[in-house]
Amino acid sequence: KNEVEQSPQNLTAQEGEFITINCSYSVGISALHWLQQHPGGGIVSLFMLSSGKKKHGRLIATINIQEKHSSLHITASHPRDSAVYICAVPRIQGAQKLVFGQGTRLTINP
Amino acid sequence: SQTIHQWPATLVQPVGSPLSLECTVEGTSNPNLYWYRQAAGRGLQLLFYSVGIGQISSEVPQNLSASRPQDRQFILSSKKLLLSDSGFYLCAWSVDTNQETQYFGPGTRLLVL
Repeated sequence: KNEVEQSPQNLTAQEGEFITINCSYSVGISALHWLQQHPGGGIVSLFMLSSGKKKHGRLIATINIQEKHSSLHITASHPRDSAVYICAVPRIQGAQKLVFGQGTRLTINP
Repeated sequence: SQTIHQWPATLVQPVGSPLSLECTVEGTSNPNLYWYRQAAGRGLQLLFYSVGIGQISSEVPQNLSASRPQDRQFILSSKKLLLSDSGFYLCAWSVDTNQETQYFGPGTRLLVL
């Protein structure tokens, strides 16, 4: 079993829909990262959170440490949100060494 | 502000040829530096990790090596490329403390034929 599992693997939605991407992990963590990878390959860090919820524009990330689960939400989705969203957690023995989920490929149709 | 550069952006190399990918960071001192690989259809995998000049930690056995000759320079190398070395290589940096965001470079797409 992978240490980090994301669901769904692929998600297609219409513009304006509310999007939820889930991430479950099996290791103890100090912080969880959400990353966005654009079609060209470039990766941008969206959030790093260790508890509760963080919001940036139309993006919201939540984490439940007890349940080892995090969600990334996108409100009022737009075609420019189309990307691969990746969840990552640090390994116990080195907070900087990340283990990555397989990613969720999101496509927002106009 | 900090920036991270990688080159080349794309590379096509024959099997058995050498490889050198370079990553440089500007605007910060003593960063942690990382090399990741993303194979086709697979997730990111940490290859190498460095906390300082000449200090390299290898995460997985492989055909590649890394070096850090200067504080803000990280080089990924191979003496003889394999087909399985094809992939998207990303360099990243972070501040030398726990729970810090990692900042990724634009990546190098390597195709070994």
